[in-house]
Amino acid sequence: NAGVTQTPKFQVLKTGQSMTLQCAQDMNHEYMSWYRQDPGMGLRLIHYSVGAGITDQGEVPNGYNVSRSTTEDFPLRLLSAAPSQTSVYFCASSYSTSGTDTQYFGPGTRLTVL
Amino acid sequence: KQEVTQIPAALSVPEGENLVLNCSFTDSAIYNLQWFRQDPGKGLTSLLLIQSSQREQTSGRLNASLDKSSGRSTLYIAASQPGDSATYLCAVRRDGGATNKLIFGTGTLLAVQP
Repeated sequence: NAGVTQTPKFQVLKTGQSMTLQCAQDMNHEYMSWYRQDPGMGLRLIHYSVGAGITDQGEVPNGYNVSRSTTEDFPLRLLSAAPSQTSVYFCASSYSTSGTDTQYFGPGTRLTVL
Repeated sequence: KQEVTQIPAALSVPEGENLVLNCSFTDSAIYNLQWFRQDPGKGLTSLLLIQSSQREQTSGRLNASLDKSSGRSTLYIAASQPGDSATYLCAVRRDGGATNKLIFGTGTLLAVQP
């Protein structure tokens, strides 16, 4: 298994540009989520999904959209990038939301918005 | 509001030393607690998951304890090795709901000197 994969690894955007961060997992996990990691603030939940066709907002959803058309993929869209969205983005997945299920994280996408 | 704190922010020890990393949380009503390892430029790897009803979990040279009443968890690393150098994050899951949201500390950067 490849686990959780994310593309691209690095991206530089100008303010106002849009882009999609890709996330895929091959473990047949129902639960997927997106976090952002900022210095001194820890990781914060952006959006999550408990299955194909179902998404919901996390702690910091503004400026981001998600969709879940398949079990495997959970893309994160930035509609109009802002410098405040400069961060490292991590995608995570788990088999379910059971308390015994470990969450698996992807390698991250480092995004810079100029 | 749940807050997770990790002290110290950085730690340097000589190889072979036993060490303890600390994690504290403000709300004792947690579902579970996880310890993760993060290597530079990479994603998070789950090390240990402790359910709220458990007191400790062990994996190899790692032992994590949980004291809900005092809002504390510790990660004990025995006989440290240079390969243990990484950032260690603890994360608290607040409840068993579908959000599966983890609240992260800001981590302890560990350097094990050969």
